[in-house]
Amino acid sequence: AQTVTQSQPEMSVQEAETVTLSCTYDTSENNYYLFWYKQPPSRQMILVIRQEAYKQQNATENRFSVNFQKAAKSFSLKISDSQLGDTAMYFCGLGRNNAGNMLTFGGGTRLMVKP
Amino acid sequence: EAQVTQNPRYLITVTGKKLTVTCSQNMNHEYMSWYRQDPGLGLRQIYYSMNVEVTDKGDVPEGYKVSRKEKRNFPLILESPSPNQTSLYFCASSAQGWGGYNQPQHFGDGTRLSIL
Repeated sequence: AQTVTQSQPEMSVQEAETVTLSCTYDTSENNYYLFWYKQPPSRQMILVIRQEAYKQQNATENRFSVNFQKAAKSFSLKISDSQLGDTAMYFCGLGRNNAGNMLTFGGGTRLMVKP
Repeated sequence: EAQVTQNPRYLITVTGKKLTVTCSQNMNHEYMSWYRQDPGLGLRQIYYSMNVEVTDKGDVPEGYKVSRKEKRNFPLILESPSPNQTSLYFCASSAQGWGGYNQPQHFGDGTRLSIL
């Protein structure tokens, strides 16, 4: 079984500042990937960033980057230069790369960016 | 425009009245799945389908049925809805992964179900 834990139900950050969202996971799979989805108030699910577990280099997408610590099973998301539009619920998760693209999500972190 | 379309977006109904939430994708994706989202629990997978006529249970399948008669459609059926199925539901699809690399899932806009 796979589990994903987000220990911060809510966070806030001032506009233009940097914030880090925490995520830990557990899996017995060898071929998996990790991701962060953003869910704004419109409730759309928007893929923010994805990291293949076999890659050592941390993934980056513009202002979003991850700190992937495979041995510690940790996958945190750093948002630099926070913008008001970053206000959303953020879900960390784990996906299997074998047959059956099953995703396991954490409980979510609600991020508020303050002006 | 590539999209996953769910209907209805909102539904209030009563216990025991059968309902179907439709899901359709126009990207020719092989893989489709249903999730429910509840506060503090994130999204949990209900059922998934790897192709036409191939479906399997996810983490929380009790009380739900699905079918995959066509590649583009993957309806979620609640035969006898109960209040504990009040939730926000998402359908998602993705292309078949090759070489051990699954493609990102595309999500619909969600269906808010309230069972009284």
